Amino acid sequence: GEDVEQSLFLSVREGDSSVINCTYTDSSSTYLYWYKQEPGAGLQLLTYIFSNMDMKQDQRLTVLLNKKDKHLSLRIADTQTGDSAIYFCAETLEGSQGNLIFGKGTKLSVKP
Amino acid sequence: DAGVIQSPRHEVTEMGQEVTLRCKPISGHDYLFWYRQTMMRGLELLIYFNNNVPIDDSGMPEDRFSAKMPNASFSTLKIQPSEPRDSAVYFCASSPPASLSGGYTFGSGTRLTVV
Repeated sequence: GEDVEQSLFLSVREGDSSVINCTYTDSSSTYLYWYKQEPGAGLQLLTYIFSNMDMKQDQRLTVLLNKKDKHLSLRIADTQTGDSAIYFCAETLEGSQGNLIFGKGTKLSVKP
Repeated sequence: DAGVIQSPRHEVTEMGQEVTLRCKPISGHDYLFWYRQTMMRGLELLIYFNNNVPIDDSGMPEDRFSAKMPNASFSTLKIQPSEPRDSAVYFCASSPPASLSGGYTFGSGTRLTVV
């Protein structure tokens, strides 16, 4: 079946790196996404990776994909207080007509 | 582009009343999704449309919930009659065709409180 798992909470100090992890179960995933939700707001697409890639870097964000272990991670370098939010991992399956499967989200707290 | 536009931002209503939530997707996006978010259950997909046609409504909790998409630029989610357990944030999202990698664009949500 389809399932996306994330740890619920992560706490880091300002300036440190944050690593948010995600596991998924369906090996036919085509794209994997990271979304950010700030308090009182909708989900914002941060970045995505195609399943034939193993890494993608975008400024302070690094996405790593281990397809063998079905493990996705998001690393935020030099974490700032403005990075405090809930981060959702999501996958879209081949032939799913665009239907994303979301994890329950990881709440990142950044302490000064 | 103004993004996905939802209205109202906040709605407070009494139990038993009809509630209508509205969504305007991004022009050119042919998929539209309605989600509900609560602390207990997280983000739940209620229904989604492709080219204005409902594709999967298995997430709609009960017959009290209905959704329509009369044209490519407008969708509604209606709850009649509303109950306190319907209190949640309701998100609309749209996406381009499945062949593209753009993911979803979410609206800012409607926070519904049923008292």
